[in-house]
Amino acid sequence: IAGITQAPTSQILAAGRRMTLRCTQDMRHNAMYWYRQDLGLGLRLIHYSNTAGTTGKGEVPDGYSVSRANTDDFPLTLASAVPSQTSVYFCASSPTVEGPEAFFGQGTRLTVV
Amino acid sequence: GDSVTQMEGPVTLSEEAFLTINCTYTATGYPSLFWYVQYPGEGLQLLLKATKADDKGSNKGFEATYRKETTSFHLEKGSVQVSDSAVYFCALTYTGGFKTIFGAGTRLFVKA
Repeated sequence: IAGITQAPTSQILAAGRRMTLRCTQDMRHNAMYWYRQDLGLGLRLIHYSNTAGTTGKGEVPDGYSVSRANTDDFPLTLASAVPSQTSVYFCASSPTVEGPEAFFGQGTRLTVV
Repeated sequence: GDSVTQMEGPVTLSEEAFLTINCTYTATGYPSLFWYVQYPGEGLQLLLKATKADDKGSNKGFEATYRKETTSFHLEKGSVQVSDSAVYFCALTYTGGFKTIFGAGTRLFVKA
């Protein structure tokens, strides 16, 4: 089934540890995104990528990094996790930057203790 | 800046009741408007969309009309079902731009 796969589905992480959230899509979409979802705040964009090899900062990029080595994969790395990064993280993609409809993964629930 | 405001939840309805979830927006240009739905434990799914003023998006019995004069995109359904229980997000984005702005979400509970 075509779509977006995120891993892990949930994780408890000690503060200060490094963590990479994985995201893979098989729809050959050019644009990919990482959002975090927090109660009462909706979804906020962390980083995005217009196409393989390019990335950009969203609304809340501090403490996160991304890479886009190929079309399909868009990992999100927390270099040194802090409790305020406890959230649900969603990866999404769209066919092009202009194609506004986004397709979402099922999310990764991350708890930093 | 651009923003999306949704009515606060949770909204609790009995089965077959009429649903309205209000959404208003502020935008500097002419965005496309969306409603996404998030079922428990899942990611967001596109429910419906409208790309220009006076367009009506519809899907699965849900409807929303793009009202430029009132900057609104209210979600309606004539008769809700228990299976409609979810969180609903209103969103806007611009063609030519990558950034989608989401509202905070409205949780809907439908009782049998």
